[in-house]
Amino acid sequence: QVQLKESGPGLVQPSQTLSLTCTVSGFSLTSNSVHWVRQPPGKGLEWVGAIWSGGSTDYNSALKSRLSISRDTSKSQVFLKMNSLQTEDTAIYFCTRSCSQWGQGVMVTVSS
Amino acid sequence: DIVMTQAPLSVSVTPGESASISCRSSKSLLHSNGITYVYWYLQKPGKSPQLLIYRMSNLASGVPDRFSGSGSETDFTLKISRVEAEDVGIYYCGQLLENPPTFGAGTKLELK
Repeated sequence: QVQLKESGPGLVQPSQTLSLTCTVSGFSLTSNSVHWVRQPPGKGLEWVGAIWSGGSTDYNSALKSRLSISRDTSKSQVFLKMNSLQTEDTAIYFCTRSCSQWGQGVMVTVSS
Repeated sequence: DIVMTQAPLSVSVTPGESASISCRSSKSLLHSNGITYVYWYLQKPGKSPQLLIYRMSNLASGVPDRFSGSGSETDFTLKISRVEAEDVGIYYCGQLLENPPTFGAGTKLELK
């Protein structure tokens, strides 16, 4: 069955770079899009960006200058890198297949 | 960006009764292919969002048929018949017609 699992550091210092990995199973990255969506504590859902089946990417315009999404199809992994982190980037980060199936999420706290 | 507006922000329902949640989009979500790209999700406490309804009225796999979606080009309704304890959580509508995907602020469903 379709599964997605996020991994990465739980704590990042301000101004540093966040690196997250989404490891998927049960579907092919070359046939499906994978999106990143984040949720600040107690708040709603914010789309971060996506990598499409063909490998092209789209980003939230507010985050675009700090954000990069890539993938390794041989390892069934999608990567998110966001630099210059601020406290406002504290959130649960989810990866999701086409915004249908979702991973469990990973909590990222930006704090010194 | 397309703005998704949900109402009410919270609803309290007696088990066994029905509940309706509304969502309005700032732009028509009807594609020229005839599909309306509105989606409904439930986020149970401490969990990731789960897809309930896709393309306005299609029940996602494994979702009880107590859930139904309907609407027009800009106004949408999620109806839950015979509410059960497991239905407690926050309901989000979302649009996948165009980038960036956007979500409503959420409607919290509680039991009386």
